[in-house]
Amino acid sequence: DIVMTQSPGSLAVSLGERATINCKSSQSVLYSPENKNYLAWYQQKPGQPPKVLAYWASTRESGVPDRFSGGGSGTDFTLTISNLQAEDVAVYYCQQFYTTPYTFGQGTRLEIK
Amino acid sequence: QVLLQESGPGLVKPSETLSLTCTVSGGSISNYYWNWIRQSPGKGLEWIGYMYYSGRTSYNPSLKSRVTFSIDTSKNLVSLKLTSVTAADTAVYYCGRGGRWNSYWGQGILVTVSS
Repeated sequence: DIVMTQSPGSLAVSLGERATINCKSSQSVLYSPENKNYLAWYQQKPGQPPKVLAYWASTRESGVPDRFSGGGSGTDFTLTISNLQAEDVAVYYCQQFYTTPYTFGQGTRLEIK
Repeated sequence: QVLLQESGPGLVKPSETLSLTCTVSGGSISNYYWNWIRQSPGKGLEWIGYMYYSGRTSYNPSLKSRVTFSIDTSKNLVSLKLTSVTAADTAVYYCGRGGRWNSYWGQGILVTVSS
């Protein structure tokens, strides 16, 4: 199985500032023939299911604010949240869909400082 | 708007079979992948597997011997059966639409395995 490791486990950022979450995969999730990274990012708020923010590592899901941006390639990825808003408090997960079984990172808890 | 709703018993005894149903409304089951994911405090998010509407499946090897998916296109239902459950199967179970990432999720159902 591909192991997804997120860092940090939690972080606190001031309103209006930038938050950066890292995700590292134990093997590359870049499918070279398509030049696509098989990675998605999710946001989960308490009592709710996860909500997809981005897929192919950097393609924002429809309706997701452009404050959220995904980047990286191969084995190292980042989710950046610019101009942090109070409603961004949540747990964030990365997920690889390069190969089954699909696997998730352990989550990063984002709080307001 | 596509809506998914999980249903089933919230309490299952050890060694018994966990059976859940996902009712899809606002869209057809056809031409999509449907998957099950569970979330427990100890193991985080765990992909159980997916099923294409035609019947093709992919299961997590860690659960493959115990899990079965089924689909009823006439009723817009997707179902999960997990046999021989233990306390380790206690989790919130989600159904979702998507073969790679989930664009749509149900609200989830908490299933507790306990005698």
